[in-house]
Amino acid sequence: AQRVTQPEKLLSVFKGAPVELKCNYSYSGSPELFWYVQYSRQRLQLLLRHISRESIKGFTADLNKGETSFHLKKPFAQEEDSAMYYCALSERSGGYQKVTFGTGTKLQVIP
Amino acid sequence: EAGVVQSPRYKIIEKKQPVAFWCNPISGHNTLYWYLQNLGQGPELLIRYENEEAVDDSQLPKDRFSAERLKGVDSTLKIQPAELGDSAVYLCASSSWGGREQYFGPGTRLTVT
Repeated sequence: AQRVTQPEKLLSVFKGAPVELKCNYSYSGSPELFWYVQYSRQRLQLLLRHISRESIKGFTADLNKGETSFHLKKPFAQEEDSAMYYCALSERSGGYQKVTFGTGTKLQVIP
Repeated sequence: EAGVVQSPRYKIIEKKQPVAFWCNPISGHNTLYWYLQNLGQGPELLIRYENEEAVDDSQLPKDRFSAERLKGVDSTLKIQPAELGDSAVYLCASSSWGGREQYFGPGTRLTVT
């Protein structure tokens, strides 16, 4: 069974400080990982996916298979980054994609 | 494009009453998901549809929950009878065939008193 762990419920950082939101997973196959974000009063939306190896809004995430991690990082936090962040793992099951979400981390950027 | 539409946005009912939620996915999206999100938790899958077929309903409490997607477009999730523990946000999401990215609706916040 696949499992996604986000150990921090709340992460508070000052504006301009680096940010790292932790995500660890357990999965025996080849994982496909995502970060979703939910800003206040907005719907949940995709932030980035590991296969794209992209940087979105200054955020990056590298899949580390040895440590089974997919931490989300940003070098300089901005106030508008304050939101709930969910790590998600997708596996192919029965011909379809099955997604498991972590419990989420609330990022609070202090001005 | 309107995105995934859900209604109602909020619902307050007394326990033992029935309740229904409606979702209209993004046009052309074959896959539709219903999730349950409790406070402080991530979304948990209740049921997933590929067109009109429920391909994963293993987490749906079938004694009181039911869902349908008759024409493979919009979907309804029903709870009958509702219990206090059903208070949560019910999210609908959709994706294109084989698509990895899910597009979420705004959710329905259910309060059972």
